[in-house]
Amino acid sequence: QSALTQPPSASGSPGQPVTISCTGTSSDIGVYNYVSWYQQHPGKAPKLMIYEVTKRPSGVPDRFSGSKSGNTASLTVSGLQAEDEADYYCSSYAGGNNFVVFGGGTKLTV
Amino acid sequence: QVQLVESGGGLVKPGGSLRLSCAASGYIFSDYYMSWIRQAPGKGLEWISYISDTAGIEQYADSVKGRFTISRDNAKNSLYLQMNSLTVEDTAVYYCGRVSVGRREFDYWGQGTLVTVSS
Repeated sequence: QSALTQPPSASGSPGQPVTISCTGTSSDIGVYNYVSWYQQHPGKAPKLMIYEVTKRPSGVPDRFSGSKSGNTASLTVSGLQAEDEADYYCSSYAGGNNFVVFGGGTKLTV
Repeated sequence: QVQLVESGGGLVKPGGSLRLSCAASGYIFSDYYMSWIRQAPGKGLEWISYISDTAGIEQYADSVKGRFTISRDNAKNSLYLQMNSLTVEDTAVYYCGRVSVGRREFDYWGQGTLVTVSS
């Protein structure tokens, strides 16, 4: 059982927006502004898409955005494209012995 | 460009040992913390260990503490994971990841190496 809770699936039509939620606790998401999101295509390595809640690494399209409220973080993909179909994992710095905890992943279907 | 290439995975019996390696290139290896993250078949990601840039700090998830040992050789731009007392629950794809400058996420990942623990 993963430390962070994500919906197992999400879907949207090309050009439409979709939001994926990630719920943690007051020991991780609720207390740290270190939420990250990773994209993983089948058989591939995860790719960092969002870090520190809202920041995008160089090269990540600006249709990907992140936010946080309380113990829940969200990833929004605006203007879905076919290549966005993948698994998405959230993570949060948790400090102490846990360092980083992950969600169980959300399969996004376009 | 940053490249991380894992090796050393394979089939091992319960109670056995295995040593994974990760070869890094495209950046100054000794400037970054490094980590191992694993993904059991059909499951999510699990952080298992990190090591500081100078190897002075190591941390482990409770699930592997006392059985796994992380190490690095900055002269060889390489990261290692010695895995002992393996159980079927350790079956997973093991990824090496570069810990970002902010030390709160993983900005580059390798392609992974599969470890299967089975009798």
